[in-house]
Amino acid sequence: GIQVEQSPPDLILQEGANSTLRCNFSDSVNNLQWFHQNPWGQLINLFYIPSGTKQNGRLSATTVATERYSLLYISSSQTTDSGVYFCAVVVTAAGNKLTFGGGTRVLVKP
Amino acid sequence: DGGITQSPKYLFRKEGQNVTLSCEQNLNHDAMYWYRQDPGQGLRLIYYSQIVNDFQKGDIAEGYSVSREKKESFPLTVTSAQKNPTAFYLCASSSGGQLPIAKNIQYFGAGTRLSVL
Repeated sequence: GIQVEQSPPDLILQEGANSTLRCNFSDSVNNLQWFHQNPWGQLINLFYIPSGTKQNGRLSATTVATERYSLLYISSSQTTDSGVYFCAVVVTAAGNKLTFGGGTRVLVKP
Repeated sequence: DGGITQSPKYLFRKEGQNVTLSCEQNLNHDAMYWYRQDPGQGLRLIYYSQIVNDFQKGDIAEGYSVSREKKESFPLTVTSAQKNPTAFYLCASSSGGQLPIAKNIQYFGAGTRLSVL
């Protein structure tokens, strides 16, 4: 099955810093989503981005489908950005299932 | 409020007991999903349903069962055959319908934490 790898596994930031999270996947995908899991476990949709670039406030994401990776950018980080960031992909041939990466654990210090 | 409601928030299972986790959505979504998350790990798919009265096994279906009798409800039963049920369980839904399911955006409930007594 498809492999989804996220890096780095852990990230500690000072409030106001910028950062880039990476998601590599091993096969062509039809769907890629980025999620933020808050400390209470709630999974929040950030982006649906199988290709191209999108921006939402201080967050933006870019997926280069031909090279099988996606990047999530966090600018001017805030303490509320802390949590775990997951990317997840769908490969139609695999039965239309979301396969998750292992996540990047982000801690933003005041 | 539109959304996905999971209950209970916390659940405790005794040895040999079956327990059922509830998932209800009022988004009029056709597709629903159950995922399991172990501490420090990503989510893994247990079961999914693209339409009422139909469901498919995910990657870790052993020891679990589901039903989809109504569009808005997709309960998950953790049976006594699941020897390591302690985990965080998340339910999701997506619109499905005319779109290929691969292009549907999945939205998640707040989760149920299951522990073994």
